[in-house]
Amino acid sequence: QVQLVESGGGVVQPGRSLRLSCAASGFIFSSEVMHWVRQAPGKGLEWVAVIWHDETKKYYADSVKGRFTISRDNSKNTLFLQMNSLRVEDTAVYYCAKDQGGYWGQGTLVTVSS
Amino acid sequence: QSVLTQPPSASGTPGQRVTISCSGSNSNIENNAVKWYQHLPGTAPKVLIYGTNQRPSGVPDRFSGSKSGTSASLAIGGLQSEDEADYYCATWDDSLNGWVFGGGTKVTVL
Repeated sequence: QVQLVESGGGVVQPGRSLRLSCAASGFIFSSEVMHWVRQAPGKGLEWVAVIWHDETKKYYADSVKGRFTISRDNSKNTLFLQMNSLRVEDTAVYYCAKDQGGYWGQGTLVTVSS
Repeated sequence: QSVLTQPPSASGTPGQRVTISCSGSNSNIENNAVKWYQHLPGTAPKVLIYGTNQRPSGVPDRFSGSKSGTSASLAIGGLQSEDEADYYCATWDDSLNGWVFGGGTKVTVL
C-alpha cells in the first residue's frame, strides 16, 4: 500500500537550515507529482511547494519562496525539502503528500526557536 | 487568510445532516477538482472526497461532495460522534500554481 514517511524535523534556531525527507513506497514514485504542506500550531493547512515527477516544474508558496527548495531523488523514491533562513513562523508539522489519491504522510515537526 | 473560504464551525445532533461550504474563484474551484479532507489532531489528513464528488474506498457513502461554479460543499448525512474533526476543502489554483486550502471547519456533534 502507499506509504509516505517524513523525517528530519527538529528544533532549530532562527536563521539556520534544516532538510526534510519523505520516503515513498507502494507506488511508482517517479511518475507522481509531489507536494509539501504544513500546519502551524493552532492554524489550518498551508501548501508549501510542489514538484513535477521529472523535476521540470517546481512552485512555491510566497511565504517560503527564495528560502525553501523542493527536490527529489527518483532512484531512491525520496522527496526533499531544504529549508534555509528559517523563521519562527515556519514552526509547523510538515507533511509530504502525493498529488493524486489523497495520500499524506504522518508529518514531521519543525520548531524554530531561539 | 485562506484563499478558499469555509465557515469556522458547524454542528449537529447524531443523525442530522451537516453541510460545509467552500467558496473560491474561477482560478481554483471553478476550473479544478475539489478534495475534502478530515483531519484529527496528530494524524495525517484523510481524504473523504476527491475529484469533487468521488469517494475513496472505505469512506462511508454518507459523505458526499458537490460543486457549482466557484463554490463547493461537503455534506455529512447521518452525523455520528466519530465525525467530530476538522474538515478542509482543497483544490489547485491556476494563478498561484499550487494547492489552496480552506481555513477549516470544526464539526461538533452535540
